[in-house]
Amino acid sequence: DTAVSQTPKYLVTQMGNDKSIKCEQNLGHDTMYWYKQDSKKFLKIMFSYNNKELIINETVPNRFSPKSPDKAHLNLHINSLELGDSAVYFCASSQEAASSYSEQFFGPGTRLTVL
Amino acid sequence: AQSVTQLGSHVSVSEGALVLLRCNYSSSVPPYLFWYVQYPNQGLQLLLKYTSAATLVKGINGFEAEFKKSETSFHLTKPSAHMSDAAEYFCAVSKGTDKLIFGTGTRLQVFP
Repeated sequence: DTAVSQTPKYLVTQMGNDKSIKCEQNLGHDTMYWYKQDSKKFLKIMFSYNNKELIINETVPNRFSPKSPDKAHLNLHINSLELGDSAVYFCASSQEAASSYSEQFFGPGTRLTVL
Repeated sequence: AQSVTQLGSHVSVSEGALVLLRCNYSSSVPPYLFWYVQYPNQGLQLLLKYTSAATLVKGINGFEAEFKKSETSFHLTKPSAHMSDAAEYFCAVSKGTDKLIFGTGTRLQVFP
């Protein structure tokens, strides 16, 4: 029983393409997140949704657009992919918002490679 | 603004030796502090967290961390390293903001 799942696990694409990454959690959590981990393992939050509502929107290019159809899903769509978008993208969820002490549960990651 | 600093991007120990991974935080309010572990090609997993209760926090896999306000530290320790402990370890802080802020990570290598 996977708690937080992401698809696809690997994504290789050309510059300029549009791609989506999907995330689902079966933990009944209210809050979901997208993180970007670069080649030096630095992990930074991109977006957070609480009950389908956007609560964190970091300084991310507007080519990145999250979509939460329901509180169990948070997808990430990326337009006009650039070389610098190559990274591992992690989805996570927590029972409460990040300002609390709630544990965040992470998905296995999606390794995006832009050629 | 809150932040965490992890001293040492790489730490190497022998199997059975003490593990010490350092984390110092900066926060204008009493923080919540976390240690997460990332095994190769996997997502992050919570090891332990400090939420202003006991200053010595015990986590999974024999790890523990002590919150020291006077030193603004939250170092992670394990008395005896095991080969399976080899991973990337992240310290993180929250509270006063609406997000979790991660340190740059420390890669732990364990030699037989």
